[in-house]
Amino acid sequence: ETGVTQSPTHLIKTRGQQVTLRCSSQSGHNTVSWYQQALGQGPQFIFQYYREEENGRGNFPPRFSGLQFPNYSSELNVNALELDDSALYLCASRQFSGTNTGELFFGEGSRLTVL
Amino acid sequence: GESVGLHLPTLSVQEGDNSIINCAYSNSASDYFIWYKQESGKGPQFIIDIRSNMDKRQGQRVTVLLNKTVKHLSLQIAATQPGDSAVYFCAENNSWGKLQFGAGTQVVVTP
Repeated sequence: ETGVTQSPTHLIKTRGQQVTLRCSSQSGHNTVSWYQQALGQGPQFIFQYYREEENGRGNFPPRFSGLQFPNYSSELNVNALELDDSALYLCASRQFSGTNTGELFFGEGSRLTVL
Repeated sequence: GESVGLHLPTLSVQEGDNSIINCAYSNSASDYFIWYKQESGKGPQFIIDIRSNMDKRQGQRVTVLLNKTVKHLSLQIAATQPGDSAVYFCAENNSWGKLQFGAGTQVVVTP
């Protein structure tokens, strides 16, 4: 139990639709990041938020966007869904304290299937 | 480009034996590495980490070794148990917190 909760756990969308995934960070964590994990592969970094601002982004197109709220919960939005967006989306949080090291706590993920 | 990679996709280990999972990294400037365990249907779970100023770090039944000369990382699991069956990832942490994961090694523990 990491204290990071994600919803929904599973969802199915069709190409062209939009999806919003939600994450509740562990209490006291001010940094949240999102990862995409395709089947049989390692997680790929999408972006990171610190105190409600994006402070790092991976190689993902602009149709992947996010938000972090004052209570440190977070959303991942994906527009114009493509078949290749089918994956497990992982949210992770940590408490930034001057260095970006220390344990990153992952949620169980949201499994997105795009048909 | 820089990458973190794993040598073996699958490792079959007999229960009670020791497991060794290897990982190569290419960014010589990397200074922090983490091992994660991911069970089926779950998110990655932190196992152990190591900073580049260390060669070895031990946890409960696990040891991580870092060889900066050849840019190699390994995870040793002592007395492997059925509950150790999972996919193991090494990850490289960059300066602002992005983790770069390898593809993973599937560990299968046989009775």
